[in-house]
Amino acid sequence: DQQVKQNSPSLSVQEGRISILNCDYTNSMFDYFLWYKKYPAEGPTFLISISSIKDKNEDGRFTVFLNKSAKHLSLHIVPSQPGDSAVYFCAASARSGGSNYKLTFGKGTLLTVNP
Amino acid sequence: GAVVSQHPSRVICKSGTSVKIECRSLDFQATTMFWYRQFPKQSLMLMATSNEGSKATYEQGVEKDKFLINHASLTLSTLTVTSAHPEDSSFYICSAFDVRSYEQYFGPGTRLTVT
Repeated sequence: DQQVKQNSPSLSVQEGRISILNCDYTNSMFDYFLWYKKYPAEGPTFLISISSIKDKNEDGRFTVFLNKSAKHLSLHIVPSQPGDSAVYFCAASARSGGSNYKLTFGKGTLLTVNP
Repeated sequence: GAVVSQHPSRVICKSGTSVKIECRSLDFQATTMFWYRQFPKQSLMLMATSNEGSKATYEQGVEKDKFLINHASLTLSTLTVTSAHPEDSSFYICSAFDVRSYEQYFGPGTRLTVT
């Protein structure tokens, strides 16, 4: 049973427009969420994170929104640039109640930003 | 920033042989490192948590006798795939937990091909 789901395997966006990547989770113990960017044959690169006590976190062109009641988070990239083209992974962990920093990943969404 | 390296980046070995993959945190000490495996177009699956000075904790379904993990120092963890078979061919990625930022930083990955 997948605890972190990214239902869109791919997304294509025009340069300059907004990219919205979605992620759903089922485990109510998850209280910390992250987005990673990954190129083929490379390790993931950390982008942005959000704790469950917040509903929004912003860092430059990247904003993550968290809807706890819906168990849903999204990553907004605006404006999108061709260099943003990569696979984006959503990840979650249950940090409270101990030192468990294990991450559970979604399957990823391939973002293509067209010039 | 926190940098994690992996060696080798790719390795081809014959069925029945053993392969060792190294994961190093270059500019920070990591008491905890994680080993992941990624199949094509799939999520990163956590294999085990490597703790410096103690035994690794394996995820359900991961054979500890096949995937030997040693975390001998605060900057080095090794994964040895013993008696490798073609089905072990995969992309193996490690991460190191940085207590300064409470984030995991990933290595570039190792592509293992067993012939």
